[in-house]
Amino acid sequence: QVQLQESGPGLLKPSETLSLTCTVSGYSITSGYFWGWVRQPPGKGLEWIGNIYHNGNTHYNPSLKSRVTISVDTSKNQFSLKLSSVTAADTAVYYCARNTYSTPFDLWGQGTLVTVSS
Amino acid sequence: IVLTQSPGTLSLSPGDRVTLSCRASQSIASSTYLAWYQQKPGQAPRLLIYGASSRATGVPDRFSGSGSGTDFTLTISRLEPEDFAVYYCQQYGNSPYTFGQGTKLEIK
Repeated sequence: QVQLQESGPGLLKPSETLSLTCTVSGYSITSGYFWGWVRQPPGKGLEWIGNIYHNGNTHYNPSLKSRVTISVDTSKNQFSLKLSSVTAADTAVYYCARNTYSTPFDLWGQGTLVTVSS
Repeated sequence: IVLTQSPGTLSLSPGDRVTLSCRASQSIASSTYLAWYQQKPGQAPRLLIYGASSRATGVPDRFSGSGSGTDFTLTISRLEPEDFAVYYCQQYGNSPYTFGQGTKLEIK
């Protein structure tokens, strides 16, 4: 079955760049869907970060747009998130997920906790 | 688009019927691009309802969604023990996608 799995460092210092990768198994990224990222600070709600289509078209949340880059590596069937200049406010569980133009996030990764602390 | 969910927390018993509310600050594109998710502690959100009223694959029929435009509801007809969780609405018709702040169902 289709699965998404996040990976990347769990601890960062302020001002560093967060880098996460989502590996998709059981489905080719090039077959469709938007592939995106959602985060959730501990004990709080969900925030959409952005997504990417397999052709490289991206959409970002304006609140994070200046610091976010989402990219795709079709050869590895992966997509990635980079968030620059992190602060403690970026501490959250980061989920990768998929959606389409007309459907919401129907498949999610298990999430990975990223903590920003000096 | 800001989504406001109410109430914030509900204390209920298994077997109860419950209706959760989600109100949008403006009409959602295509009027029904509204989803509901269930999230349990330590787990990713699980899609329950899309298109305001369509159940996702494998979702029990005790879950139902309704509404259009700016006012939406999720109804659980008869609460099972596994339904006690946090529920989020989300609009995906306008960028940026946004989520409500969540409603927590707790056991009375």
